[in-house]
Amino acid sequence: GDSVTQMEGPVTLSEEAFLTINCTYTATGYPSLFWYVQYPGEGLQLLLKATKADDKGSNKGFEATYRKETTSFHLEKGSVQVSDSAVYFCALIRGSARQLTFGSGTQLTVLP
Amino acid sequence: NAGVTQTPKFQVLKTGQSMTLQCAQDMNHNSMYWYRQDPGMGLRLIYYSASEGTTDKGEVPNGYNVSRLNKREFSLRLESAAPSQTSVYFCAISIQGKAGELFFGEGSRLTVL
Repeated sequence: GDSVTQMEGPVTLSEEAFLTINCTYTATGYPSLFWYVQYPGEGLQLLLKATKADDKGSNKGFEATYRKETTSFHLEKGSVQVSDSAVYFCALIRGSARQLTFGSGTQLTVLP
Repeated sequence: NAGVTQTPKFQVLKTGQSMTLQCAQDMNHNSMYWYRQDPGMGLRLIYYSASEGTTDKGEVPNGYNVSRLNKREFSLRLESAAPSQTSVYFCAISIQGKAGELFFGEGSRLTVL
């Protein structure tokens, strides 16, 4: 079955540091890939997505590129802020499937 | 998270008690979902409903029942709560025509003693 593997957290960075959160997936065919973010005490929000190989999703300074050859969708940001502290989830959906497959989430804490 | 409203936000139950989590949307979308979130396990789908009157099991349906009362409302019922059902529960709706794009409620934190 489909699966998503994220780097284990927690990740702690200083403000303005470079962020990478690794995500790899296992799925047949050509899934669409997503990053969701969960701020403390809130539900998940869609951060960015990519629907085909080599697509780059971007939003709020975050980027992720759909790499089919390495089955990866790593999340990056050049300069993190304290307000980026949250839990980040990688997820995929295949074709006509009705449900997302989520990774286990990576907790990010950014210190001032 | 205007658009998807969950009630209650917090609940403490004793083992064996029953309760219903309510979810209502005002975004007029067909598909609604119930997930549970547990530390280190991401989100796991309990049940979903593709349209009014239809429901389907997800990854972890045991111990739960659901009801899609109308297009707006999708409730999750625990008939006999167990400590293993201590979790944060999220209702979500799917954006029509955009597979994988979910809009989540704020969550309901349930503790079963």
